[in-house]
Amino acid sequence: QVQLQESGPGLVKPSQTLSLTCTVSGGSIISGGYYWSWIRQHPGKGLEWIGYIYYSGTTYYNPSLKSRVTISLDTSKNQFSLKLSSVTAADTAVYYCATFSSPFGVVTLNWFDPWGQGTLVTVSS
Amino acid sequence: QSVLTQPPSVSGAPGQRVTISCTGSSSNIGAGYDVHWYQQLPGTAPKLLIYGNSNRPSGVPDRFSGSKSGTSASLAISGLQAEDEADYYCQSYDSSLSGSVFGGGTKLTVL
Repeated sequence: QVQLQESGPGLVKPSQTLSLTCTVSGGSIISGGYYWSWIRQHPGKGLEWIGYIYYSGTTYYNPSLKSRVTISLDTSKNQFSLKLSSVTAADTAVYYCATFSSPFGVVTLNWFDPWGQGTLVTVSS
Repeated sequence: QSVLTQPPSVSGAPGQRVTISCTGSSSNIGAGYDVHWYQQLPGTAPKLLIYGNSNRPSGVPDRFSGSKSGTSASLAISGLQAEDEADYYCQSYDSSLSGSVFGGGTKLTVL
């Protein structure tokens, strides 16, 4: 059973780059059919898809964040990471990593399962 | 606002049945893309509740059911229990955005 755990700074200054890592256990990030995802939730608000990366390295980003987001794989550590540049207070949120997959392995049919426990990132000086 | 529209809140007494709607458009649900549902208990990460419109993962009680028709989907919860009090989110794929979209979430209160 795949398990995910987010890690990274809980406080980031405005205009800096937010960097988070998701460590995957119980499975390999280079397994075919799996997309490794980031989702965030602003305080008291709903869920917002940030992006995902396929084991091949192909990435898909939310158009509203695309200019500031980079998702990458570290196969040696079985981790994937999120970088969000030029952050503002509006980027304060709980950030979740999740596996995006299905038996079909197609983004149009996939769902998010499982999820990490989430990590709160606050943008403040 | 969210691409998929959900009612902000629903409520019901223990034992009753409630439904939560998720309304999309021709670029997501109406295009035939599957709808998935998640349950988020207070202070925890979302958990997959329904996948592929109407399928329950192992361990999810059959009190939870999902359906889809046209540009909308619904989550039904029968035999309400206090432990069902949570936020519920629908999710699908949107061809205009070329990515995943979520509903705004619905808070279920068990009276």
